[in-house]
Amino acid sequence: DVKVTQSSRYLVKRTGEKVFLECVQDMDHENMFWYRQDPGLGLRLIYFSYDVKMKEKGDIPEGYSVSREKKERFSLILESASTNQTSMYLCASSWAYEQYFGPGTRLTVT
Amino acid sequence: QQQVKQSPQSLIVQKGGIPIINCAYENTAFDYFPWYQQFPGKGPALLIAIRPDVSEKKEGRFTISFNKSAKQFSLHIMDSQPGDSATYFCAASKDDYKLSFGAGTTVTVRA
Repeated sequence: DVKVTQSSRYLVKRTGEKVFLECVQDMDHENMFWYRQDPGLGLRLIYFSYDVKMKEKGDIPEGYSVSREKKERFSLILESASTNQTSMYLCASSWAYEQYFGPGTRLTVT
Repeated sequence: QQQVKQSPQSLIVQKGGIPIINCAYENTAFDYFPWYQQFPGKGPALLIAIRPDVSEKKEGRFTISFNKSAKQFSLHIMDSQPGDSATYFCAASKDDYKLSFGAGTTVTVRA
């Protein structure tokens, strides 16, 4: 079974803090994705990566950056967390069209 | 701006009923249309997917209907069960493997 793990299920951070969300997949997938999920808005793509050290902006990259130093690991970074970044963050990986999701990290910024 | 519009936002049916969720898109470059199912506390998981050269696809009790000319597709859950209570997302993709998701529909199946 494909497994996508995320470093934390719940996280509480203060405004202005630097936040790291980690994602690891165990299936040698080329593609990895970060989404945020908000009620009534569905899943919105923040960043994605087709290969190690490659990254491309999704639909809502403002306030976020990413890092992919190893194929299995894709990190999402909030340089200076703000309250409007309170959300559920989902990581996914894929070979092709089918994406496999992690359980999500619920981030609260106070 | 959401590229895939999904309705309704929520749906309640009795056990055995047929909830229907509708999605519409504008971008004719989309060539892959999946549905994802998400249970509370879990990430979404692929349920069923269709390509635009097919008008209908069934997997178990789940059926996708696809209308290419209308740029619409829908999910039907036949003989729905309480265990089908979940949030369902439609999505669309071009050949770049990125998914554009709808806003989601929360389905509740009452016993």
